[in-house]
Amino acid sequence: SAVISQKPSRDICQRGTSLTIQCQVDSQVTMMFWYRQQPGQSLTLIATANQGSEATYESGFVIDKFPISRPNLTFSTLTVSNMSPEDSSIYLCSVKGLNEKLFFGSGTQLSVL
Amino acid sequence: AQTVTQSQPEMSVQEAETVTLSCTYDTSESDYYLFWYKQPPSRQMILVIRQEAYKQQNATENRFSVNFQKAAKSFSLKISDSQLGDAAMYFCAHHNTDKLIFGTGTRLQVFP
Repeated sequence: SAVISQKPSRDICQRGTSLTIQCQVDSQVTMMFWYRQQPGQSLTLIATANQGSEATYESGFVIDKFPISRPNLTFSTLTVSNMSPEDSSIYLCSVKGLNEKLFFGSGTQLSVL
Repeated sequence: AQTVTQSQPEMSVQEAETVTLSCTYDTSESDYYLFWYKQPPSRQMILVIRQEAYKQQNATENRFSVNFQKAAKSFSLKISDSQLGDAAMYFCAHHNTDKLIFGTGTRLQVFP
């Protein structure tokens, strides 16, 4: 299994600001994903981070709001832009391992005031 | 659309007893994967068990086992000899074209 480091683990931000979340994997992986977990809810896929090309966004998520970078096969960032209280969630980075298993980082707890 | 349904928002079990968490899913695929993940208060998503749809044999991982009924599109998780550390949210997930679709989760409480 991959070891995934996600930073920051939590943050409290002001409305209108942006936060960048980092995800570092201890091995090269082809596929990295970003999920959102709203309070008391399940996980929803935001986008697939592609190395060397633009991320692939799911319905309801747009690049202007959630820009993603994937400069190499071990690192990705997700930015939550122009935040509002509705963006308060847990954001999770994940990578696909062997046999379609998905491994997760420890998540970033974001609170927007 | 692919969906995963967990009809039990909360379940409870006595320590050392057995509990079963339900999950149903909808798919048009014939070959796919199903997963159960555990999320304790630490937020970490932990893979509990994985089932390949083309395998008829139910997956087992120590105290965790599944009852996979492909025709009924049912995938329940059985936890035997429950321990206090099993208390967490449990999410069922279906693998669909490189994405995992998650159910809404079941909160499991374990009483001593």
